[in-house]
Amino acid sequence: DSGVTQTPKHLITATGQRVTLRCSPRSGDLSVYWYQQSLDQGLQFLIQYYNGEERAKGNILERFSAQQFPDLHSELNLSSLELGDSALYFCASSVGPSNSPLHFGNGTRLTVT
Amino acid sequence: KNEVEQSPQNLTAQEGEFITINCSYSVGISALHWLQQHPGGGIVSLFMLSSGKKKHGRLIATINIQEKHSSLHITASHPRDSAVYICAVRFGSQGNLIFGKGTKLSVKP
Repeated sequence: DSGVTQTPKHLITATGQRVTLRCSPRSGDLSVYWYQQSLDQGLQFLIQYYNGEERAKGNILERFSAQQFPDLHSELNLSSLELGDSALYFCASSVGPSNSPLHFGNGTRLTVT
Repeated sequence: KNEVEQSPQNLTAQEGEFITINCSYSVGISALHWLQQHPGGGIVSLFMLSSGKKKHGRLIATINIQEKHSSLHITASHPRDSAVYICAVRFGSQGNLIFGKGTKLSVKP
């Protein structure tokens, strides 16, 4: 058990809808990372927060947004969903802002129909 | 362009064999991660290294900074080692990782 909790495990929704994915980091970890894993693109980094502040941004679409709350949990909001957004979304956490070991959640499988 | 290449893409081994998975990257990095993804989808971080060699049980990871190359070795492989192994690198001090496409390992009993 990595100590990172992601909810929900599965999400099925329709195109055009909006969903929120939630991540609780491992106790003591200040960084939260979001990753997308699709069949054609593999794993891609979306965004990182460290202690409540955005730290790094990757290939995150404008329709997607994220935030980290004072209790350090994070939410990834996906809006105007398209079929191509169907993927596994992983959250990971680490103690520090950069070169620290990562602890991954079990992922949220999003299916857009 | 920052790239990460893994080889082989697929690997089938017999139980007990010694396994090597390779990872090459294009420019200097600050850290390299080896990840394991099981068929159920969950990801486990195996190693993070920036130089030298690390060992955990039957797994060994090495990195050669000059050659921009890392290897993951599995000794005495077992069917439960069957998974996708992913190399990921961090360039500079930013938090983002660039991922390889993964190596799918199947160990037959």
